[in-house]
Amino acid sequence: EVQLVESGGGLVKPGGSLRISCEGSGFPFRTYTMNWVRQAPGKGLEWVSSISSSGTYIYYADSVKGRFTISRDDAKNSLYLQMNSLRAEDTALYYCVGRYYDTSGPSPNLDYWGQGTLVTVSS
Amino acid sequence: DIQMTQSPSSLSASVGDRVTITCRATQGIANYLAWFQQKPGKVPKLLIYAASTLQSGVPSRFSGSGSGTDFTLTISSLQPEDVATYYCQKYNGAPLTFGGGTKVEIK
Repeated sequence: EVQLVESGGGLVKPGGSLRISCEGSGFPFRTYTMNWVRQAPGKGLEWVSSISSSGTYIYYADSVKGRFTISRDDAKNSLYLQMNSLRAEDTALYYCVGRYYDTSGPSPNLDYWGQGTLVTVSS
Repeated sequence: DIQMTQSPSSLSASVGDRVTITCRATQGIANYLAWFQQKPGKVPKLLIYAASTLQSGVPSRFSGSGSGTDFTLTISSLQPEDVATYYCQKYNGAPLTFGGGTKVEIK
């Protein structure tokens, strides 16, 4: 059974830091591009960051660039998001999403989503 | 960056109605367009990828069309279980932008 399990969410003060994690199982984690997608309460989906299967290619949304850092540890089948200088507008449910890329490009039909971890930024 | 604009932002239709949601990209994205369905409190579910390919297990009343900048998600006969918010997403390269969402309700 495929699983992506996020952890590490919680309440943090504005300006603070938090690291959230995602552990995958049941699929070839190291071959997947991994992503973070967030959803603020009552709002739409927002892509946050991606890291390629090799870790070579990393991308960020403008809204988090310079504050968030994505990383992966394939030996632990784990994805991380280090979040610094947190703002109230970063409050959201953060989903871990795996997407496979083959030689012809991305394959959303092979996407895997976690259940999300809630990050709340408030004083 | 390419922006994705969905319309309408919400709609109300009767059971059995044909429902159409549009998604427009500010630049051409070929067919690198996916549609997701999200029910309240649930994880988004992929309905369609490559603009028009139905994901395995998705009812055939859902269909997608379009290429380039203009895309459409159609529900041929709206069912009560289709109440949800629908999102398009471009995936031809970062940023993997989502549309703003369309909330579908039953009249």
